[in-house]
Amino acid sequence: RKEVEQDPGPFNVPEGATVAFNCTYSNSASQSFFWYRQDCRKEPKLLMSVYSSGNEDGRFTAQLNRASQYISLLIRDSKLSDSATYLCVVRGNTDKLIFGTGTRLQVFP
Amino acid sequence: GAVVSQHPSWVICKSGTSVKIECRSLDFQATTMFWYRQFPKQSLMLMATSNEGSKATYEQGVEKDKFLINHASLTLSTLTVTSAHPEDSSFYICSARDRLAGAFGELFFGEGSRLTVL
Repeated sequence: RKEVEQDPGPFNVPEGATVAFNCTYSNSASQSFFWYRQDCRKEPKLLMSVYSSGNEDGRFTAQLNRASQYISLLIRDSKLSDSATYLCVVRGNTDKLIFGTGTRLQVFP
Repeated sequence: GAVVSQHPSWVICKSGTSVKIECRSLDFQATTMFWYRQFPKQSLMLMATSNEGSKATYEQGVEKDKFLINHASLTLSTLTVTSAHPEDSSFYICSARDRLAGAFGELFFGEGSRLTVL
């Protein structure tokens, strides 16, 4: 079983739509959680950290359920520029990051 | 924000040759840098942790004699792919953390280096 699992997609949505991505992780001792965005052939960039209480940054909302070992990302009012691959990333009690394979989002006009 | 620069961005080489990739932190010092590899449609896989002034720590299954890592200064780590073969063709990405940010500070990624071995 992979340490971090994501639905690879692609998710094809129209502009303005709301889309949600899910992620599960296998290591219950994981301590930090993140969503990264990766554009084609580019390096990943931190989108937001994920906290147990849930957190929001503009159109993006992240949720963490430690009991279910489940992380989500909600994007509201999708823009064309949101098209990218979204990586779920987990860190245990070391400083290493474990990446999911990513979920690809394509927003169309 | 902090900047990490990788060079070269693209490299094509013949099978059997060696390729060196540089990772530089431009506006901070990094005692630790990480090297990842990403094959098409796959996740980033950690290859090794580069430690300034000491030997790198390699992940299981990564050959240390094939992927030579040198971290001679607080702003530069290099990855040398020795005797490269077509199966080494991949996207290599480094990341670095400001030494002042502590062990769990934010990681900043380089732009990546795409290696194609003919």
